[in-house]
Amino acid sequence: NAGVTQTPKFQVLKTGQSMTLQCAQDMNHNSMYWYRQDPGMGLRLIYYSASEGTTDKGEVPNGYNVSRLNKREFSLRLESAAPSQTSVYFCASSTGTGVYGYTFGSGTRLTVV
Amino acid sequence: GNSVTQMEGPVTLSEEAFLTINCTYTATGYPSLFWYVQYPGEGLQLLLKATKADDKGSNKGFEATYRKETTSFHLEKGSVQVSDSAVYFCAARQGSSTLGRLYFGRGTQLTVWP
Repeated sequence: NAGVTQTPKFQVLKTGQSMTLQCAQDMNHNSMYWYRQDPGMGLRLIYYSASEGTTDKGEVPNGYNVSRLNKREFSLRLESAAPSQTSVYFCASSTGTGVYGYTFGSGTRLTVV
Repeated sequence: GNSVTQMEGPVTLSEEAFLTINCTYTATGYPSLFWYVQYPGEGLQLLLKATKADDKGSNKGFEATYRKETTSFHLEKGSVQVSDSAVYFCAARQGSSTLGRLYFGRGTQLTVWP
C-alpha cells in the first residue's frame, strides 16, 4: 500500500546513545516533516523539508538533525539522546499547495532511559 | 501568526449521543481546514477537509462546515459509536504555496461508552 513508512516502530535508548529514525514515502511527495507527540502538547514540528535538497527548523529542533536523502527519504537523527526526547515521533509527507493535507506514518515510540 | 484552537478534552459520551468538538483558527487569507483522527497506537489519518468558505467536509458520519465569518470548523456527529473513541485534531493550512505548513490544534480525546 502506498504511504509513509517509518522504522523502527519501537526503540529504547540509554542516555547519550545515538540513533536514526528512518522515513520513506512512495507517493512522489515534495515535502516531508518530522513531528513529536507528547501528552498534553499535541504535535510539535521538529524539522521539515519543503523539497528535495532543503531542510528547515520547526518549533523544537534542538537535539535533532535531519537528512533529506532523496525525494523519498527523510531521516531524523538523535546524536546524544536525553530522557526529554522520550516521545512518539511521526513522519509525514505532502504535495501541492494548501488544499492538500499530510499523510502520516504510523510512528516510532522512543524511550530514553 | 497562524494558529488553531480546539476544545479541551477529554470528552466522554454514551453511545448514540451527539458529538461536537469546537475548533477555531487564526490565519491570514483563507486556509484549507482539516480534521484528523488518531486511533490508539496509530498515526494520524485524514478524516475530512474543506478548502473554501461554506464548504462542508464529511466522512464516516462526521461533518464540519467552514465558517469564514466565525473562523470556525466544528466537528459534529449525530450518533457516536464506541469505535469512534480516538483523539481528534483540527488543522489549518495556507493555500498560497507549497511551503504552507499545517498548523494543528492540541487534540481532543473522545471516549465513547457502550
